[in-house]
Amino acid sequence: AQKVTQAQTEISVVEKEDVTLDCVYETRDTTYYLFWYKQPPSGELVFLIRRNSFDEQNEISGRYSWNFQKSTSSFNFTITASQVVDSAVYFCALRYAGNMLTFGGGTRLMVKP
Amino acid sequence: ETGVTQTPRHLVMGMTNKKSLKCEQHLGHNAMYWYKQSAKKPLELMFVYNFKEQTENNSVPSRFSPECPNSSHLFLHLHTLQPEDSALYLCASSQWTDSTDTQYFGPGTRLTVL
Repeated sequence: AQKVTQAQTEISVVEKEDVTLDCVYETRDTTYYLFWYKQPPSGELVFLIRRNSFDEQNEISGRYSWNFQKSTSSFNFTITASQVVDSAVYFCALRYAGNMLTFGGGTRLMVKP
Repeated sequence: ETGVTQTPRHLVMGMTNKKSLKCEQHLGHNAMYWYKQSAKKPLELMFVYNFKEQTENNSVPSRFSPECPNSSHLFLHLHTLQPEDSALYLCASSQWTDSTDTQYFGPGTRLTVL
């Protein structure tokens, strides 16, 4: 069975703090894909990153970075020097069976000025 | 228009009404999806259309009826809904391939059933 767990339901930080959003997944597939999406108050899910199971290199994109560790089945997301515009709900997702996605419950991030 | 669009953005309907949600993608994709996002549950996949053929119906009640007339358009027909069907309905599209597809989402329709 495929499962994604985001244990942090809500995180509150002050602007310029670094924050890490945790994602733990379960799958029996040897090839799989992991995703992070951002959902601002407007509702649209915005794609942030896709990572396949063969690529464990960490990735950095501006203030965003992702740490993929197969040994712990985790795909954590770090925002450096957070900004108010980062306030949103962030979803981690696992792709299975062709192109189905199973989502975690989401982490609501609030960045206060 | 670019990306994935959805209309209407907000909809209020009574339990006896019939309404339809519309989704259109301008990305040249061949797969489209309906998701339901309610307050107390994770995002739930409802339907998948691949090359206009429905390939997934995730145990959705028959009061929800999808239609995919072509690879760019997707509808969700609603009738005799229940208050618990109130949710954000998200449409997504992707290119259906073995490895490189990513789903891109529309802004959603916020549905309230009275």
